Amino acid sequence: AQSVTQLDSQVPVFEEAPVELRCNYSSSVSVYLFWYVQYPNQGLQLLLKYLSGSTLVESINGFEAEFNKSQTSFHLRKPSVHISDTAEYFCAVSPGGYQKVTFGIGTKLQVIP
Amino acid sequence: DGGITQSPKYLFRKEGQNVTLSCEQNLNHDAMYWYRQDPGQGLRLIYYSQIVNDFQKGDIAEGYSVSREKKESFPLTVTSAQKNPTAFYLCASSIGMTGTGELFFGEGSRLTVL
Repeated sequence: AQSVTQLDSQVPVFEEAPVELRCNYSSSVSVYLFWYVQYPNQGLQLLLKYLSGSTLVESINGFEAEFNKSQTSFHLRKPSVHISDTAEYFCAVSPGGYQKVTFGIGTKLQVIP
Repeated sequence: DGGITQSPKYLFRKEGQNVTLSCEQNLNHDAMYWYRQDPGQGLRLIYYSQIVNDFQKGDIAEGYSVSREKKESFPLTVTSAQKNPTAFYLCASSIGMTGTGELFFGEGSRLTVL
């Protein structure tokens, strides 16, 4: 079984400031790691994913996440946030195939002008 | 464009009525899922299906029913037995056996019980 912990339920940050959204997981098997973003009243969209290879993965809109196996973490970072980044962010893990995906409870990022 | 279509976007229901939420995908994915989302509770799995004519209960299946008669379609019925049905419902799909578990989501359906 897997579990995902997102330590912060809400993160307020000023525009153009850096941000880090934390995600820790536990699993007895190897897993793939994902970050999804949800804008108000919309479905979730994949932001970025770690499957294998380089432990640092990037999205097209400036977010990055680093897989740290020893700390079982997959924190999401952005060096300078924009108003449009205001959304809820979900960390998720999956062993792949037909295995269930386990989600964290979500972190609401509020960017303050 | 390939994707998942959920309908309706908004739905109002009187207590005691059954309602059916539609979910269609044209991604040729084997697996489909229904999640319920409530404020502060993340996503909870209601039902999932790995193949046509087969489906399994998730973590909160009571008061819900599904069918999977076609690969493309996975409708969810919220029955009158569901005690607190007001929520945001999300349908998702994934490749299946050979995939990574990456989920593709629809835009969601918001059900309000009056």
